[in-house]
Amino acid sequence: KQEVTQIPAALSVPEGENLVLNCSFTDSAIYNLQWFRQDPGKGLTSLLLIQSSQREQTSGRLNASLDKSSGRSTLYIAASQPGDSATYLCAVYQGGSEKLVFGKGTKLTVNP
Amino acid sequence: DTGVSQDPRHKITKRGQNVTFRCDPISEHNRLYWYRQTLGQGPEFLTYFQNEAQLEKSRLLSDRFSAERPKGSFSTLEIQRTEQGDSAMYLCASSSIRTGNTEAFFGQGTRLTVV
Repeated sequence: KQEVTQIPAALSVPEGENLVLNCSFTDSAIYNLQWFRQDPGKGLTSLLLIQSSQREQTSGRLNASLDKSSGRSTLYIAASQPGDSATYLCAVYQGGSEKLVFGKGTKLTVNP
Repeated sequence: DTGVSQDPRHKITKRGQNVTFRCDPISEHNRLYWYRQTLGQGPEFLTYFQNEAQLEKSRLLSDRFSAERPKGSFSTLEIQRTEQGDSAMYLCASSSIRTGNTEAFFGQGTRLTVV
């Protein structure tokens, strides 16, 4: 059974800092990994999708990497801003199934 | 396109009542998913459709839950005889297999409170 773990569970940083969020998964037989952002009481906003054949994806100040063999992904946020405060969720598409398996998320607070 | 739309956004119901939620996916997306999220947890898969066919259901989906997607467009999720443990955020997502890109797009969710 696929399990996705996100560390840390919560992170508080001053504005302007670069930061890394971590995601690990137990079964490397995945074919995609997706990072989402969730604001309190809201739905999920897709940030980046990494296909299994890719090593990384970039969008603006965000960069996500994927290492299938070690079962890890990282989300790098450059020059953090208070508007980046949210919960960040990592999810993997399990091979042989069409469902996403999610971690519990990392709650990020960026202080002005 | 305005993205995935869910209705209602909030629902408060008494234990034992039936509730129905609606999801309108992004136009032309042939895959539609339902997930459930409780406080402090990541979303958990409930079921998914490809066009009108329901192809996978989680064991979380007890016999009190039923989902439909008539004509492969919008979908409904019905919960019968609601229990307090059903209180959660119900999220709908859609994606398109046709593009070969399985990126999932989520709606704003329906927050269910069973009192």
